[in-house]
This record gives sequence, structure tokens and C-alpha cells, in this order.
Amino acid sequence: TQLLEQSPQFLSIQEGENLTVYCNSSSVFSSLQWYRQEPGEGPVLLVTVVTGGEVKKLKRLTFQFGDARKDSSLHITAAQPGDTGLYLCAGLDDQTGANNLFFGTGTRLTVIP
Amino acid sequence: DADVTQTPRNRITKTGKRIMLECSQTKGHDRMYWYRQDPGLGLQLIYYSFDVKDINKGEISDGYSVSRQAQAKFSLSLESAIPNQTALYFCATSEGYEQFFGPGTRLTVL
Repeated sequence: TQLLEQSPQFLSIQEGENLTVYCNSSSVFSSLQWYRQEPGEGPVLLVTVVTGGEVKKLKRLTFQFGDARKDSSLHITAAQPGDTGLYLCAGLDDQTGANNLFFGTGTRLTVIP
Repeated sequence: DADVTQTPRNRITKTGKRIMLECSQTKGHDRMYWYRQDPGLGLQLIYYSFDVKDINKGEISDGYSVSRQAQAKFSLSLESAIPNQTALYFCATSEGYEQFFGPGTRLTVL
């Protein structure tokens, strides 16, 4: 089992604050994805990072893939209540040919107006 | 209409009962997956299928079975439900590396 640990598990902040969520593993992944899940719904893909050291920006969200492709971070600038949700990282293992995703433990973010 | 649908959305059952969860997709994808989500554990892969004739076990397949009736349909069965199978279950499809999830089925086993 390839374990992806996310931290923090829970995060409650005021609107306008910045935050960073971390996703760490001892395994190397060919790519890493970030999903957001809202109550009563399935996860929805936000971004895929492929190259070690890659940085991608999606409006106020900045995603970084570690140089060794074992870890990733998600930084949100000026958080809004609409950012509230469960954030999941997922590593893609293509070594077996199955191309399955291994999901992290999740970070539940609450942004207070 | 939703691309990936799951039925039922909620189910309460008793220990020992047989339960089937259904998943249908209109995306035309060959790959389909069943995941289980527990608080603090993220999503764990139960079974996956790359086409109608291909079924593979995931990380936590014990106590579960699946059937791929058609490209668009992938069902998950619990032959004899037990309380620790209480969880949120998601079906997903993929083409390439992005996965598209259904809305989930909340299953409670008493």
C-alpha cells in the first residue's frame, strides 16, 4: 500500500487568510493530482502535476510537486468561504501498468466568513 | 444529467444481508472503479475494471465482489454485510489519468 499523508487533517480559518496543505509520501509517483470534495458529492479534479518541481496556479490556488515527486503542497491565497471542502491529494502509480490512484487522508478546510 | 450515477444514494441494512450498489455512466469510458471512503482514511480502492471482461482487486477487496454488466454499468456487492462496512462508497470512471466520480452511496450496516 502506498500511503499519502496529508496535513493538517482539519483547518479552520477566517476569510482572507492564507493557508497551505501538505501531501507527503515515501513513494515516488509519476504524477500527483489534487481533488476537492463537497458534502454529498464525489471528488472533483482541480489539477494534475507531472514534473518534479512543477508549480501550477489555478486562480488563488497554487500547487507544487516536490523535486523528488514524493510530496506536494496546495497553497490558497485570501481564502473564501467557497473554498470550504475536503481536499484530497492522489498519487498516480503507473509502474504496474494499472495507472491507479492512491488517495491521501484528506484535509477538511472550513473558511469562516 | 449527471455523467456518473449511483443508486441507491443512502441505504441502511442489517448484518448478514446481501447488498448491491449500482453505478452507471454515460461518459463512454472503459475504466471503472469502486472506492470506499472512511473519515481520516481518504478513498481506498475496492475493485477496478478496464473493460467488460477485465476485473481486478484493489487494496481492500475482501468481503466485496463486483460485476461489469456492460461498458456503462459496474455494480458492487456485499454478500454478507458487516458493521465495519459502514462507509461512503464511490464509483468512478476514467479515460486517461483524470477520474470522474459519482455522488456516492452512504451505506450503514446495523
